[in-house]
Amino acid sequence: DTAVSQTPKYLVTQMGNDKSIKCEQNLGHDTMYWYKQDSKKFLKIMFSYNNKELIINETVPNRFSPKSPDKAHLNLHINSLELGDSAVYFCASSQDAARGYGYTFGSGTRLTVV
Amino acid sequence: QKEVEQDPGPLSVPEGAIVSLNCTYSNSAFQYFMWYRQYSRKGPELLMYTYSSGNKEDGRFTAQVDKSSKYISLFIRDSQPSDSATYLCAIPGYGGSQGNLIFGKGTKLSVKP
Repeated sequence: DTAVSQTPKYLVTQMGNDKSIKCEQNLGHDTMYWYKQDSKKFLKIMFSYNNKELIINETVPNRFSPKSPDKAHLNLHINSLELGDSAVYFCASSQDAARGYGYTFGSGTRLTVV
Repeated sequence: QKEVEQDPGPLSVPEGAIVSLNCTYSNSAFQYFMWYRQYSRKGPELLMYTYSSGNKEDGRFTAQVDKSSKYISLFIRDSQPSDSATYLCAIPGYGGSQGNLIFGKGTKLSVKP
């Protein structure tokens, strides 16, 4: 039973399109995150949600909008996709955000914008 | 200076070798330190979680934290081809960054049979 699952695994789309990535966790964690891993494998936080409320929003274009319908789900919607958005997007959840305890990552969504 | 620095490698070793992976960090307030392993086309998985200074051992893996020099290490004994992956050090953010993980750039390790 997958702890943090995200769909789709692969997404190929044209510039200018709008797309969504879905994430669900069954660990009962209160905090969920979106991370972006670029072509050089560098992982960087994008958003953090605690109990459906946004608590971290790093410098991310406002074309990216997270939505958390409940504490087990955190979706990422991207408008007007650009070539530079091509990356792997990881969803994660944690049990204790301050101590980084129980941080668990999904298997990633590989987004390619053509 | 970046908050967490890690030599990206790549690192190639023969099977059975001892591997040493290292990171340095800049903020002395950091208390918790993690090592993640990421196989190709997979998500990062937690390998070691340590608090403050000292050593922690788990099988062939030892994590070491030296807070006086802001240096963290991961040692792999008797390395196996299955250890071939990218290893990332990570530190939970402090203060305004609390809750996010600050990652090093990752070191790609290849263990040759």
